[in-house]
Amino acid sequence: EVQLLESGGGLAQPGGSLRVSCAASGFILSNYDMRWVRQAPGKGLEWVSAISGRGGRPYYADSVKGRFTISRDDAKNTLYLQMNSLGAEDTAVYYCARESDGDYRPLDFWGQGTLVSVSS
Amino acid sequence: SSELTQDPAVSVALGQTVRITCQGDSLRRHYASWYRQKPGQAPVLVVYGRSNRPSGIPDRFSGSSSGNTASLTVTGVQAEDEADYYCNTRDSSDNHLEFGGGTKLTVL
Repeated sequence: EVQLLESGGGLAQPGGSLRVSCAASGFILSNYDMRWVRQAPGKGLEWVSAISGRGGRPYYADSVKGRFTISRDDAKNTLYLQMNSLGAEDTAVYYCARESDGDYRPLDFWGQGTLVSVSS
Repeated sequence: SSELTQDPAVSVALGQTVRITCQGDSLRRHYASWYRQKPGQAPVLVVYGRSNRPSGIPDRFSGSSSGNTASLTVTGVQAEDEADYYCNTRDSSDNHLEFGGGTKLTVL
């Protein structure tokens, strides 16, 4: 059974850092492109970052480029998002999601999310 | 702001049919995927590609596309279909994703 379990969310101060994790089970993380998607309170979904399965190439939304870093640990089958220079606008639930292979590549499995709050 | 546009809210009577639309230039090149999100829960994929459904999604959910518009149709709406629905697709770079702003479906 495919499962994604995020952790590491919490309260961070403006300008601070936080790392969230996504432990995958039921499949091999490095065989799939993986995505981070966030949702600010009461708002819609926003794509944040991706990492390609083959080669581990990272991609970022303009809103986080230069501040966030996506990575993975193949031995632990875990995805990470290192977030630096956090601002209030980064307050959101962060979801990791698996991108299905095949022609259409939808996000076929999502974690339950982890809440990141940025406040002084 | 989203490059994909959705109506913020739609309502439908129980058992009727509703269409939720999503507009954007990227939809001319890529199919949309549709996600259902209930309060306090993670999004769930309901329709993708031409009109494909993951296992476990009822066949009352279907998708279609024409030009720059993708549509999600729910035929014979049930009370449990009340949720927020989001469309998404890839942008011109093919590596970045776009999401619509979401449509809140209310079942009357």
